[in-house]
Amino acid sequence: KQEVTQIPAALSVPEGENLVLNCSFTDSAIYNLQWFRQDPGKGLTSLLLIQSSQREQTSGRLNASLDKSSGRSTLYIAASQPGDSATYLCAVLNTNAGKSTFGDGTTLTVKP
Amino acid sequence: NAGVTQTPKFQVLKTGQSMTLQCAQDMNHEYMSWYRQDPGMGLRLIHYSVGAGITDQGEVPNGYNVSRSTTEDFPLRLLSAAPSQTSVYFCASSLDRSGNTIYFGEGSWLTVV
Repeated sequence: KQEVTQIPAALSVPEGENLVLNCSFTDSAIYNLQWFRQDPGKGLTSLLLIQSSQREQTSGRLNASLDKSSGRSTLYIAASQPGDSATYLCAVLNTNAGKSTFGDGTTLTVKP
Repeated sequence: NAGVTQTPKFQVLKTGQSMTLQCAQDMNHEYMSWYRQDPGMGLRLIHYSVGAGITDQGEVPNGYNVSRSTTEDFPLRLLSAAPSQTSVYFCASSLDRSGNTIYFGEGSWLTVV
């Protein structure tokens, strides 16, 4: 059974800092990995989608990497801003069942 | 751009009552799913559908029914509400099940008393 772990569970940083969020998964048989952002009281918004054949994806200040063989992904946020404060979740789409498994998320607070 | 629309946003039910959470998407997506999100337990898949007329169980299907009569709509029915079903429910859709971006609704907050 696929298990997805995100460490740390919470992170607080000063504005302007570069930071890395981590996601690990136990089964490397995946179609892709997605990073999502969730604001309080809201649904999840997809930030980046990395196919299993890709190593990384970039969107603005966000860069996500994928190392399928080691079961790890990182989300790099450059020059963090208070508006980046949210919970960030990763999800892997498993090839054997065609279903996604989500991590519990990392709650990020960026202090002005 | 409506995307994935869920109704109602908030609902309070008494134990034993039934209700339906509505979900509609306007992106012609084949794959739709329902999750519940609980503190400390993350997102758990309840039911999913790979197309009109086809549904299957997820990780926590007990106490819930679904149907998919059209591509656009995927309602979730609570048959006899229990306090353990107090949660936030999210509907999601994607083009198909083979690796496209997942789009989520805004969520439905359900309290069962």
